[in-house]
Amino acid sequence: SAVISQKPSRDICQRGTSLTIQCQVDSQVTMMFWYRQQPGQSLTLIATANQGSEATYESGFVIDKFPISRPNLTFSTLTVSNMSPEDSSIYLCSAIGGQGPTYEQYFGPGTRLTVT
Amino acid sequence: GQNIDQPTEMTATEGAIVQINCTYQTSGFNGLFWYQQHAGEAPTFLSYNVLDGLEEKGRFSSFLSRSKGYSYLLLKELQMKDSASYLCAVRLPSDKLIFGTGTRLQVFP
Repeated sequence: SAVISQKPSRDICQRGTSLTIQCQVDSQVTMMFWYRQQPGQSLTLIATANQGSEATYESGFVIDKFPISRPNLTFSTLTVSNMSPEDSSIYLCSAIGGQGPTYEQYFGPGTRLTVT
Repeated sequence: GQNIDQPTEMTATEGAIVQINCTYQTSGFNGLFWYQQHAGEAPTFLSYNVLDGLEEKGRFSSFLSRSKGYSYLLLKELQMKDSASYLCAVRLPSDKLIFGTGTRLQVFP
């Protein structure tokens, strides 16, 4: 199984600033994703982080607001740009491992972001 | 569109059995996950069903019926530590996961 780490684990940021979240996987994985979990809600997919190319964003999420990089198979970053209080959420990195019956999607510990 | 439904909240007593249902209507289906999430923590993997039927893993079992768009998670011999949110998620052919709203389970002594 893969182990995923994220930095920072939490941050309090001011409105209008940007924060970059880092995600590191301890083994090479095919696909990586970024999710958001707003208070009291379930997870919503932001984008698929593609290695060496632009991320694929879900409806309602755009590159200017959430630029994503994935320079190699084990590392990705998500930036939350020009933050507002509505961006206060937990941001989770996810990666796929295994095949067939051992297929699993792992989650990092999350980054808890509060925007004031 | 994608639609995954779960009950919002459930309560049960320590030592009892509880069944958490999940129904889904999605554009494609490659499998269904159940995750457990304690407050303030990341989701942790419980089960992954691809084929119809029941899969048992210790105190937890998960069932899938693809023709009915239905799954359930069965928790036996409930313990206080089982109080958490349980998330049902469908894996699409693109490998994306679409999550249900989650079921908050409270276990009472």
